[in-house]
Amino acid sequence: KNEVEQSPQNLTAQEGEFITINCSYSVGISALHWLQQHPGGGIVSLFMLSSGKKKHGRLIATINIQEKHSSLHITASHPRDSAVYICAVSGNTDKLIFGTGTRLQVFP
Amino acid sequence: AAGVIQSPRHLIKEKRETATLKCYPIPRHDTVYWYQQGPGQDPQFLISFYEKMQSDKGSIPDRFSAQQFSDYHSELNMSSLELGDSALYFCASSLGRMIEVGNTIYFGEGSWLTVV
Repeated sequence: KNEVEQSPQNLTAQEGEFITINCSYSVGISALHWLQQHPGGGIVSLFMLSSGKKKHGRLIATINIQEKHSSLHITASHPRDSAVYICAVSGNTDKLIFGTGTRLQVFP
Repeated sequence: AAGVIQSPRHLIKEKRETATLKCYPIPRHDTVYWYQQGPGQDPQFLISFYEKMQSDKGSIPDRFSAQQFSDYHSELNMSSLELGDSALYFCASSLGRMIEVGNTIYFGEGSWLTVV
């Protein structure tokens, strides 16, 4: 069993839909990161959370430390949101433990 | 704003050759991380440096070595290249180590290495 699990693995949406990606982890963490990776490779850090909720534009990330669960929400989705979204956790080392990613496709 | 700069972006090498990848962190960032992402795989942590000293080590092959220089840039040296080394190599940087809560990590665009 992976230490960081994401669901769903693949997600298809119509433009304008509300999207939720879930992440569960089984290890102790100091922070949880939501990352975005576009085709061609580049990784962008969207959020770093250690508690509560953060919002940036149309993106909202929440974390429940007790339940070891985090969600990434995208409101009013757009085709440019199409990417792989990765949940990763950091603990007491420099290493990020990555989830397997959620491939999102938003169609016009 | 300046981001993490990696060079070269693309590199093709033959088996048994040597390759060097360079990473220039965001100005003032003192911590650098290297990750390897094979085709269709999750990024795997290789090694990290804080204030020019190795701070953590992951699944880095013995054929690979890395260091962080006085200007905080880092280089990943890969020798006796194998076909399986073909991957996207990410560098990332942060101000302070990630084990300290609140330090955000920033990734470079990656360097594509193809070994033929």
